[in-house]
Amino acid sequence: KAGVTQTPRYLIKTRGQQVTLSCSPISGHRSVSWYQQTPGQGLQFLFEYFSETQRNKGNFPGRFSGRQFSNSRSEMNVSTLELGDSALYLCASSLAPGGNEQFFGPGTRLTVL
Amino acid sequence: GESVGLHLPTLSVQEGDNSIINCAYSNSASDYFIWYKQESGKGPQFIIDIRSNMDKRQGQRVTVLLNKTVKHLSLQIAATQPGDSAVYFCAETLNDYKLSFGAGTTVTVRA
Repeated sequence: KAGVTQTPRYLIKTRGQQVTLSCSPISGHRSVSWYQQTPGQGLQFLFEYFSETQRNKGNFPGRFSGRQFSNSRSEMNVSTLELGDSALYLCASSLAPGGNEQFFGPGTRLTVL
Repeated sequence: GESVGLHLPTLSVQEGDNSIINCAYSNSASDYFIWYKQESGKGPQFIIDIRSNMDKRQGQRVTVLLNKTVKHLSLQIAATQPGDSAVYFCAETLNDYKLSFGAGTTVTVRA
């Protein structure tokens, strides 16, 4: 069974631009969560989607948004990029919503110049 | 704010020895705890979990201990191997919602 895949793996943007990251969960998994990982703040929860609905949201500004499609694939978007948005963005999928046994993808490394 | 934290940011252990990684949490309402391992260039990998109604759970070469009295969680790795070198995170869920992660402990295995 294929794992969680994220595209692209690496991305370089400039301040003010916007970016869209994609996540394909493990087949059969309907819940997708997004996390931001930085050296200073560690792993921080962004949001969780289940059945195309945002179920939970972390403490991030409105520039961070996401969505989930009917096939459970998810995208997250960051608008008006700031230098501090440089991070590893991780996607995790699970069978059901909540924290139980989430499987993480390799992440997308975003660098904002 | 962050409710889960690890006692030490780094741990150096001799190959073959046992490793103990500690984590303190602050929310007594947390009902589920997980340990993750993250190798360089990869996403976190699930190691073992434990519910708040348990004190101990064992896996292959790993044991998680939960002390609810002092709100302490530990991960024990038996016979540490070079492949165990990674960053280890503890995480908790509050009412089965989002995961809250600790800062991580970098484990380095010496040959």
